[in-house]
Amino acid sequence: QKEVEQNSGPLSVPEGAIASLNCTYSDRGSQSFFWYRQYSGKSPELIMFIYSNGDKEDGRFTAQLNKASQYVSLLIRDSQPSDSATYLCAVITGGGNKLTFGTGTQLKVEL
Amino acid sequence: SAVISQKPSRDICQRGTSLTIQCQVDSQVTMMFWYRQQPGQSLTLIATANQGSEATYESGFVIDKFPISRPNLTFSTLTVSNMSPEDSSIYLCSVERAPLRGSQETQYFGPGTRLLVL
Repeated sequence: QKEVEQNSGPLSVPEGAIASLNCTYSDRGSQSFFWYRQYSGKSPELIMFIYSNGDKEDGRFTAQLNKASQYVSLLIRDSQPSDSATYLCAVITGGGNKLTFGTGTQLKVEL
Repeated sequence: SAVISQKPSRDICQRGTSLTIQCQVDSQVTMMFWYRQQPGQSLTLIATANQGSEATYESGFVIDKFPISRPNLTFSTLTVSNMSPEDSSIYLCSVERAPLRGSQETQYFGPGTRLLVL
């Protein structure tokens, strides 16, 4: 079982819709969770982090964490074509500061 | 966040040669990380570099192949030695910073070095 799992996609949503990106992780002791956005040919860019169960909102982005289910998600409201990118879920594993990345979900926002 | 630069931004190299990638940060950081991202894949941690000590390598990566230097708190280098086409990849350095005062540190990435080995 991979430590951090994401559906590779592509996930296609129409402009203005809500995009929902999901991630599961295997280390039950994980405490910190991150979402990075990576445009083609660019390096990953941090967009959200969440440490506590529940929802965390930042502009059009909402991260949701459920530690009991070992599940973290990212919602993007009012999706724009500029949101088209690969979204990487990352988790601090092993009790240290090592970031383990999922394989990423490719999001396509269509006009 | 952090201002991170990498040199070179891209290179094409012949097999059997070595390439040294530089990573410079705008202020002092304790830990620097080196990742590899192969085409169409996610990021894989190669090693963690602390100033004043030897780098810590992840499973599958060895110092002879990927020697790392960390001479001070703002700079690190990664060398890809005796390259083969399988080493063609994007190499990224990252540093830890706290996104908010009092929050846990997270990692910010440099722009990457795109390496093609022929």
